[in-house]
Amino acid sequence: DAGITQSPRHKVTETGTPVTLRCHQTENHRYMYWYRQDPGHGLRLIHYSYGVKDTDKGEVSDGYSVSRSKTEDFLLTLESATSSQTSVYFCAISGGRQNTEAFFGQGTRLTVV
Amino acid sequence: DQQVKQNSPSLSVQEGRISILNCDYTNSMFDYFLWYKKYPAEGPTFLISISSIKDKNEDGRFTVFLNKSAKHLSLHIVPSQPGDSAVYFCAASAGTYKYIFGTGTRLKVLA
Repeated sequence: DAGITQSPRHKVTETGTPVTLRCHQTENHRYMYWYRQDPGHGLRLIHYSYGVKDTDKGEVSDGYSVSRSKTEDFLLTLESATSSQTSVYFCAISGGRQNTEAFFGQGTRLTVV
Repeated sequence: DQQVKQNSPSLSVQEGRISILNCDYTNSMFDYFLWYKKYPAEGPTFLISISSIKDKNEDGRFTVFLNKSAKHLSLHIVPSQPGDSAVYFCAASAGTYKYIFGTGTRLKVLA
């Protein structure tokens, strides 16, 4: 299994509060991603990073920000959580070589009440 | 705008028979396609992939077919086993290292 750790694994938070999810990798992979999984929508890309301090938006980036200050850590922040951000969040990594797969973490279940 | 589509939300197949999962895409720039399997409460796991220069890739019981003119790919599982019951996602990338996923198909293999 790829060395990807997501924390926390479960979180319940109130509407309007800030929330930060952490993804930590031990594979020294260049690319890191945050996806959310929702019924009927599959996996949607929120943000991704192609290096330290290099990030870009995905399909559903509104309401989310990310930071990557070290190769191994990629943080996803919900500045002011809303109920529509209740979801399962997955971090993924890839080596960035052409035609290579991404590896996923175990996921974080976030509930905004 | 859904660039990768899996139009069948669910599929049931008898054990030992073939499972065929389908995926369509709209972006002609996609050049690498992947299939992932996901069990409940776990992260997706990579299953098989295919480059756009090929039309078939096989790995044991799993074969992926790519029809570029139709912008269609399919995953064949033969023979299907109860342990194959999971949600299957297809994904595509366009050399930008962004993986765009479909909505998933829930496969149930009946014993």
